[in-house]
Amino acid sequence: ETGVTQSPTHLIKTRGQQVTLRCSSQSGHNTVSWYQQALGQGPQFIFQYYREEENGRGNFPPRFSGLQFPNYSSELNVNALELDDSALYLCASSLAAVNSHEQYFGPGTRLTVT
Amino acid sequence: AQSVTQLGSHVSVSEGALVLLRCNYSSSVPPYLFWYVQYPNQGLQLLLKYTSAATLVKGINGFEAEFKKSETSFHLTKPSAHMSDAAEYFCAVIGRGGSEKLVFGKGTKLTVNP
Repeated sequence: ETGVTQSPTHLIKTRGQQVTLRCSSQSGHNTVSWYQQALGQGPQFIFQYYREEENGRGNFPPRFSGLQFPNYSSELNVNALELDDSALYLCASSLAAVNSHEQYFGPGTRLTVT
Repeated sequence: AQSVTQLGSHVSVSEGALVLLRCNYSSSVPPYLFWYVQYPNQGLQLLLKYTSAATLVKGINGFEAEFKKSETSFHLTKPSAHMSDAAEYFCAVIGRGGSEKLVFGKGTKLTVNP
């Protein structure tokens, strides 16, 4: 059984650019959640996808968008990057959308915006 | 809305001493509660979870936590600290009844001194 993987590990972008981060869910999981963890803070919920549909969203602007594919892999897209978007982006997979009370996290993608 | 408060952003203990990391939750319904650990430059690893089966929950690496409804607390303990326990610890909550996101505390950084 493979765990949650994310790519790339690190990424440096310039303000105003766009970025795509990728996540491969744990085998058998149909739900993926994305979190942003700023330096020195706890993770903040961005959104969740269940069976390719958005299933909840946190307090993030529309320039944060996502996709979930039939094989349950996922992407997080961020447009018009701002300096404050610099953070560790974590994805987590789980088995069901309702009461998805056990989420398994990937190692994260460290995004730096200059 | 659910929230958690972690008391103490930094905790320092000696090797072999008791570890106590504090977490208080706020929820209108009995929640699911979790403790995650994050080692430097890594993702989050689930230590233990409370889902109402038992108020004293045992997790990995010798950690345990007790759910106390009267005190709205879910403190994490370990009888004897090991150098390898040095990491950042996050308490998190998910509400019952369909809430889909983990809400994290700000984290407590544990230092273990030889």
